[in-house]
Amino acid sequence: EAQVTQNPRYLITVTGKKLTVTCSQNMNHEYMSWYRQDPGLGLRQIYYSMNVEVTDKGDVPEGYKVSRKEKRNFPLILESPSPNQTSLYFCASSPTRTKTMFFGSGTQLSVL
Amino acid sequence: AQTVTQSQPEMSVQEAETVTLSCTYDTSENNYYLFWYKQPPSRQMILVIRQEAYKQQNATENRFSVNFQKAAKSFSLKISDSQLGDTAMYFCAFMKHGDTDKLIFGTGTRLQVFP
Repeated sequence: EAQVTQNPRYLITVTGKKLTVTCSQNMNHEYMSWYRQDPGLGLRQIYYSMNVEVTDKGDVPEGYKVSRKEKRNFPLILESPSPNQTSLYFCASSPTRTKTMFFGSGTQLSVL
Repeated sequence: AQTVTQSQPEMSVQEAETVTLSCTYDTSENNYYLFWYKQPPSRQMILVIRQEAYKQQNATENRFSVNFQKAAKSFSLKISDSQLGDTAMYFCAFMKHGDTDKLIFGTGTRLQVFP
């Protein structure tokens, strides 16, 4: 089944403890991205990647890191999480030029 | 910069009735795409319908249709014969034509369908 897989679905952590949210897609998509969803703000792009080893900042990149060492994987790294990073996170992928985005199931992160 | 505005935070409709969700956007681009996404309580983001700006014909998908007014920069979603399963948050989104598939979302409209 074609899908974008995010893990974990729920995560509670404490301020300053490094964490990684994994994202993997099995559709051989070139483009991958991360969004965060906050009440009253909709979804905002954090980082995106056009292909392996090509990443760039989105609209709200502060406090996040990403890497794209393989085409299928695009992990989101929070080196030192803070409470303002409590949010619902989505990974998404798409084949270029089709403009059809596939979303993962979301990761609800709470930073205490 | 592009912006997307959804002015209705919440709406409700009775089962089997028709409801229209509003969306306006601001852009100086001529080539772009518009989308409506549904987010049920499961949190999954589900593509409902998509419109390409160069196409004058309004997109339809079964009970879902749009009213795309390019000059007015308006992109409303009409849901006909509403069903209980349509209860969800609905997001309008904009994507510029180009190499990056960046979606710009509105703030969402929470739709409640009641029996």
